[in-house]
Amino acid sequence: GENVEQHPSTLSVQEGDSAVIKCTYSDSASNYFPWYKQELGKRPQLIIDIRSNVGEKKDQRIAVTLNKTAKHFSLHITETQPEDSAVYFCADGLTFGSGTRLQVQP
Amino acid sequence: NAGVTQTPKFQVLKTGQSMTLQCAQDMNHEYMSWYRQDPGMGLRLIHYSVGAGITDQGEVPNGYNVSRSTTEDFPLRLLSAAPSQTSVYFCASSYRERVAGELFFGEGSRLTVL
Repeated sequence: GENVEQHPSTLSVQEGDSAVIKCTYSDSASNYFPWYKQELGKRPQLIIDIRSNVGEKKDQRIAVTLNKTAKHFSLHITETQPEDSAVYFCADGLTFGSGTRLQVQP
Repeated sequence: NAGVTQTPKFQVLKTGQSMTLQCAQDMNHEYMSWYRQDPGMGLRLIHYSVGAGITDQGEVPNGYNVSRSTTEDFPLRLLSAAPSQTSVYFCASSYRERVAGELFFGEGSRLTVL
């Protein structure tokens, strides 16, 4: 990857609401797009990933969508819970976005 | 498996001092890397290696050296620490080729340079 932009930088939602985080990338050759979750003081851990041959992937309350034409991919979290509060990073191969701090208000 | 192990977890240095951050993985991963994490700037790649004897520069390599003499170990050396190197450092490894697989991170090393 070359450059990855991630928005928003902070996101506050009420418990039970949905949260959406968006990333854009610049490298047309990119084919692997992971999302990592980092809880306070902990290491980043993979929560979901998508490869360029699919447009959407879902795992329980989280889903990722990919639009290769527009070069953007998004993380969707439904029915948010307080334990979803963390910093989320998208990545294009080796290059990470700047992160989104998600706060879920009980 | 212990996964990715980093030491030390915390370190305070004075400007100009040198030190080595250690990283070891027991998953037989070919790919290893070092990132630094600064507030609001995400994770920035310092150096990486796709196998023993092979290293390459990432986005922010200046002031850091690495070597990869074995598959398991990938130490990061600061030759002359500067306050701008105050950061949290993460070592990460991956089973697959570098751009195609999940990264497994160590617990991080918090470095303060005075």
